[in-house]
Amino acid sequence: GESVGLHLPTLSVQEGDNSIINCAYSNSASDYFIWYKQESGKGPQFIIDIRSNMDKRQGQRVTVLLNKTVKHLSLQIAATQPGDSAVYFCAERAGNQFYFGTGTSLTVIP
Amino acid sequence: KAGVTQTPRYLIKTRGQQVTLSCSPISGHRSVSWYQQTPGQGLQFLFEYFSETQRNKGNFPGRFSGRQFSNSRSEMNVSTLELGDSALYLCASSLAPRTDTQYFGPGTRLTVL
Repeated sequence: GESVGLHLPTLSVQEGDNSIINCAYSNSASDYFIWYKQESGKGPQFIIDIRSNMDKRQGQRVTVLLNKTVKHLSLQIAATQPGDSAVYFCAERAGNQFYFGTGTSLTVIP
Repeated sequence: KAGVTQTPRYLIKTRGQQVTLSCSPISGHRSVSWYQQTPGQGLQFLFEYFSETQRNKGNFPGRFSGRQFSNSRSEMNVSTLELGDSALYLCASSLAPRTDTQYFGPGTRLTVL
């Protein structure tokens, strides 16, 4: 099966600081990647995506970086806010299926 | 535009019973995927439906089944429930299979006693 993993299961940051969440993937044929945010008691919420022909994509306060050489994906959150506290998943699309990591729990300290 | 809806939100069943979960996709979305989420396991893919046909299936036993209706609404059924089936079941919709983004519903929390 596919291996989509996160380097750190938990991350704590001070409010206002930038957060970086990392993800490793194993299938070099994966062509599309998504970051999701899941708050307690809710389903995953789409944050940002990136295709394999790109290495960077920016959204509102978020940036996704893709390094295909080392099969690494990261999510950067600028000026982290308490509302950013959640579990973050990366997902990769390989073949006709999506594969998800177990998630990183982000805690924002006021 | 309304998001993905799932009913019921919570279910408590006993071993051996069966359960049916329902998912209504975003209007216009024709593809529905189901996932099981348990602590430490991440999201495990169950199956995907498009145009009332199962297009892809994960590695789950035959006790897990699903279907899709002509209005794209989908149901999944779990028969002969086991304690290990306790999980959050998530439904995700997209415009078509393998298209860009899957949008998730809030999930159904199933507890098997």
